[in-house]
Amino acid sequence: EPEVTQTPSHQVTQMGQEVILRCVPISNHLYFYWYRQILGQKVEFLVSFYNNEISEKSEIFDDQFSVERPDGSNFTLKIRSTKLEDSAMYFCASSGTSGGETQYFGPGTRLLVL
Amino acid sequence: GDSVTQMEGPVTLSEEAFLTINCTYTATGYPSLFWYVQYPGEGLQLLLKATKADDKGSNKGFEATYRKETTSFHLEKGSVQVSDSAVYFCALRENGGSQGNLIFGKGTKLSVKP
Repeated sequence: EPEVTQTPSHQVTQMGQEVILRCVPISNHLYFYWYRQILGQKVEFLVSFYNNEISEKSEIFDDQFSVERPDGSNFTLKIRSTKLEDSAMYFCASSGTSGGETQYFGPGTRLLVL
Repeated sequence: GDSVTQMEGPVTLSEEAFLTINCTYTATGYPSLFWYVQYPGEGLQLLLKATKADDKGSNKGFEATYRKETTSFHLEKGSVQVSDSAVYFCALRENGGSQGNLIFGKGTKLSVKP
């Protein structure tokens, strides 16, 4: 069964460093999402992406964040200058040919900013 | 804004016990409602969904009914198994127009003892 994959599973970085989180969505999906979950808190929407551009973003997704689909398979989330409060589990998701379809999630990347 | 509230965990049950995890929501429109499950080390998986009032979603012995009058979508299972141990997330998605980002509750950790 096709699945969403994410790398790395864990990342530790120093405050102020740039990190790139990678996702490979399900191959025929057209809508892509990033969510995050700070320990003990809710899973929060960050951004959705369709047709090579951002379609929605939350207040969390400020200028420090960017997303890219650099090729036909990867979908990346870049944090330009990490802060302590960026420490969280980051989930990638994708859905099919309509934004209303079920979102399939990856296993997440646990980011720790020191 | 829209929000989801679910019961705090952890919930510990014996095998074959009855499970209820409460979920209530606040939404301005007519959302679709979801339960996602996260098994240890894995991503969020869709467990069941309901797209309109009085719909019942069901899967793997789990059920939830969309109750508009009480704005609830409680998850139930008649007889839990050890393999049901996981974190359960209630979520909503507004219908109509947007790409449909999900709004999640905090998650409820379920542990089932043999």
